[in-house]
Amino acid sequence: DTGVSQDPRHKITKRGQNVTFRCDPISEHNRLYWYRQTLGQGPEFLTYFQNEAQLEKSRLLSDRFSAERPKGSFSTLEIQRTEQGDSAMYLCASSHPLVIGSSYNEQFFGPGTRLTVL
Amino acid sequence: EDQVTQSPEALRLQEGESSSLNCSYTVSGLRGLFWYRQDPGKGPEFLFTLYSAGEEKEKERLKATLTKKESFLHITAPKPEDSATYLCAVQGASAGGTSYGKLTFGQGTILTVHP
Repeated sequence: DTGVSQDPRHKITKRGQNVTFRCDPISEHNRLYWYRQTLGQGPEFLTYFQNEAQLEKSRLLSDRFSAERPKGSFSTLEIQRTEQGDSAMYLCASSHPLVIGSSYNEQFFGPGTRLTVL
Repeated sequence: EDQVTQSPEALRLQEGESSSLNCSYTVSGLRGLFWYRQDPGKGPEFLFTLYSAGEEKEKERLKATLTKKESFLHITAPKPEDSATYLCAVQGASAGGTSYGKLTFGQGTILTVHP
């Protein structure tokens, strides 16, 4: 399977613990995005990487959240001192470079990591 | 700030009963409008990209259209397997005219097709 993969698929943690999620994008995609989705809502943008550079971060991304993409391939999203409000589905997506009028704008999503904070 | 509103929130259809889903948007510098399908517990699955007003795209029983303010997803003679949440998203130009490609999503329309 050559799609976007995420690990783990499910994570249950206690409030105050740290968690880390991994995303492996489609191999030829240099753009990688993280989104968060809560029940009944559409995904909300968190952050964006082009190769290894983190170029955009949402105001939703508090200082407890940090993301990396050290070699421009896989990415990790860490949440420190988790809170119950962090419970959500964390989605990763990847795409080709942005080319107007081409098919390369599309973002392809992974299956997500479901986080439950008790 | 880009905004997307989808209606209705939920739609129940009988198998074979055609209908449309609406996506209203405001965006500065539309780069693309996207439709995704999402099944419970899974990530969104890409369906269509529309770039300019008047554009239409079709895939099986689905047809997406775009105007300057709205997009419609028409579903013709739906089947129970079409039941899912349909998400609309826009990709606009960020401040300064650049675009890193982030998507702004609506809340989705939950479609249920009864046999």
